[in-house]
Order: sequence, then C-alpha cells, then structure tokens
Amino acid sequence: DSGVTQTPKHLITATGQRVTLRCSPRSGDLSVYWYQQSLDQGLQFLIQYYNGEERAKGNILERFSAQQFPDLHSELNLSSLELGDSALYFCASSVEGGSARGYTFGSGTRLTVV
Amino acid sequence: GENVEQHPSTLSVQEGDSAVIKCTYSDSASNYFPWYKQELGKGPQLIIDIRSNVGEKKDQRIAVTLNKTAKHFSLHITETQPEDSAVYFCAASWPGNQFYFGTGTSLTVIP
Repeated sequence: DSGVTQTPKHLITATGQRVTLRCSPRSGDLSVYWYQQSLDQGLQFLIQYYNGEERAKGNILERFSAQQFPDLHSELNLSSLELGDSALYFCASSVEGGSARGYTFGSGTRLTVV
Repeated sequence: GENVEQHPSTLSVQEGDSAVIKCTYSDSASNYFPWYKQELGKGPQLIIDIRSNVGEKKDQRIAVTLNKTAKHFSLHITETQPEDSAVYFCAASWPGNQFYFGTGTSLTVIP
C-alpha cells in the first residue's frame, strides 16, 4: 500500500457519460497530480493541485476537470466520454512541488468506455 | 517545456546479465531525476532518484548516473532477476514543477 488511495479501481461506462475518479493523497502530502496512461503509452500529465489550488495544467481536455478539496482529496471529472478516453488514470501525491522527493502513485483507476 | 527521451523502448536480457536504460532531457533547469518501476496492473513505484549535485547513486543492484553537461542520465541494473521484469520510466523535474516522464522501457529478464 503506497498510501495514495484511488477509487474506484475499475469503471466501465458508456460513451457520452460522465464519471468521477477520486484520490486521497498520502498523509502530509499537499500536492496531487493526475496522469493518464493509455495502452502502450507513457504517463501523460493532466493537472496538478497544491493545497487546494490549481498549480499546473498539462494536456487536459476541456471535457475533463479536477479539484482538490480542503481535506486535500482530489477528484477528476471526465464528461462526454469517448472511446478514446479508455485508459488508466493515476493520481500521485508529494509533499511539495515534487522535486523534494519522488511522487507516490496510487494503484490507478482503469476506465473502460464502451 | 522539458522533453525527456528514453531508450530503448524494449529490452530483453538473460537472467544474471546487466540492463542499462538511458534518458536525455532538454531543460538545464531540471535538477531532480527519479526512476519508476511499473509492474503489470500496478501504479509506478519510485526505485531510485538522483539530484543534480550528485553524479552517481547506488542502491544494491540498482544504480543511476547523471551527466549534467550532456543532459543525460542512466539506470543500471546488475545481476538481473525475473522479478526485475517490468516497465521502467525515467523523469526530470525542478522545484515546484511537475515531472516530465520518458516513454518507458519494457524490460524482460529471461530465466
């Protein structure tokens, strides 16, 4: 157990639907990062939150949004889902900006859009 | 922004042999370089990291080297074992910034 909790582990949904992925960071970590990993692809950075505020955005689609709550858990909302959104979605957390030590990743949410 | 390139994309070695994975980065501001191991169905796990003020770091069978001038860093695994089979990712970062990941190397250790 890495200390980063992601729920659900698996999600199957239809095109056009909306889903919410949840992440609880490791205790004491203020930064949360979301990454997308498609089949045979690397880790694509989506968005970073630090202590409740958005800090950086990557290649995140307009159909996707995220937020970090006062208790530091984060949610990634994916709407108007398309087949191509099927992927593993990872959350990672760190104490600060990320360079003090490596991220700690959760075990991921596998999203299948049918 | 930062661009991290990783080679090779796949690597097969005989058990007991060494494996080397190489990465290059583009932004001289990067000063932190972690390596992650991802086993099938799991999230990436940090296995070793190096900062820019250090040229080499070892942890048992794993070592990482950094050449800041050439902007490249490498992962060395000695005496490979079947359980080393996984996908390995390198990354580069600097203070307060996201990690930029390489595209991954799928390592297979043949018993």
